Amino acid sequence: DTEVTQTPKHLVMGMTNKKSLKCEQHMGHRAMYWYKQKAKKPPELMFVYSYEKLSINESVPSRFSPECPNSSLLNLHLHALQPEDSALYLCASSGRGTSGRETQYFGPGTRLLVL
Amino acid sequence: GENVEQHPSTLSVQEGDSAVIKCTYSDSASNYFPWYKQELGKRPQLIIDIRSNVGEKKDQRIAVTLNKTAKHFSLHITETQPEDSAVYFCAAKGPKWGPTGTASKLTFGTGTRLQVTL
Repeated sequence: DTEVTQTPKHLVMGMTNKKSLKCEQHMGHRAMYWYKQKAKKPPELMFVYSYEKLSINESVPSRFSPECPNSSLLNLHLHALQPEDSALYLCASSGRGTSGRETQYFGPGTRLLVL
Repeated sequence: GENVEQHPSTLSVQEGDSAVIKCTYSDSASNYFPWYKQELGKRPQLIIDIRSNVGEKKDQRIAVTLNKTAKHFSLHITETQPEDSAVYFCAAKGPKWGPTGTASKLTFGTGTRLQVTL
């Protein structure tokens, strides 16, 4: 099973709202990632968690706050976002698998619209 | 850091023809090169990958070649079908990374929009 799930599929929020994106995987992967993808662009790395510890923050604004409650779950808390933050937010995980430890599998994404 | 260039940005082929997408990378320490296919509104899906100790890998109609000396790798799709129409991204990964060496930072190319026409 190479499935990463994400909720919600779509999210519309105002600039003063607080919301959270959720990601889950049950492949035993110990690395999880958040990416942001704008239309017609490649995924852009935001955060990496390795063994539930934040390994990399790619200079992401503090209005995005990641959280890794356990090895299967990854959250992205959103607060005071700007319209330019509207994008597809993808979660991914990597670990042991038939393709190798470094292979990243993506979730279906959350399409976020900030009004 | 790593820089990956991808060409062409758009590619239109007739059904049954072959399609080739090329990528170059800058970091000679990169050792893993996946290719992702992303259909409109969907997630990127891994279609094939290759490691630096291998020169070529094939999976049915899809093949990837790697030239470490020139630092470039290519995706080849033969007998293209309309369902191959999508955006294709190449990526490169450097050596093990992160405090426990388990995380992998992928640098993506800018993508190729492949259109297979009937």
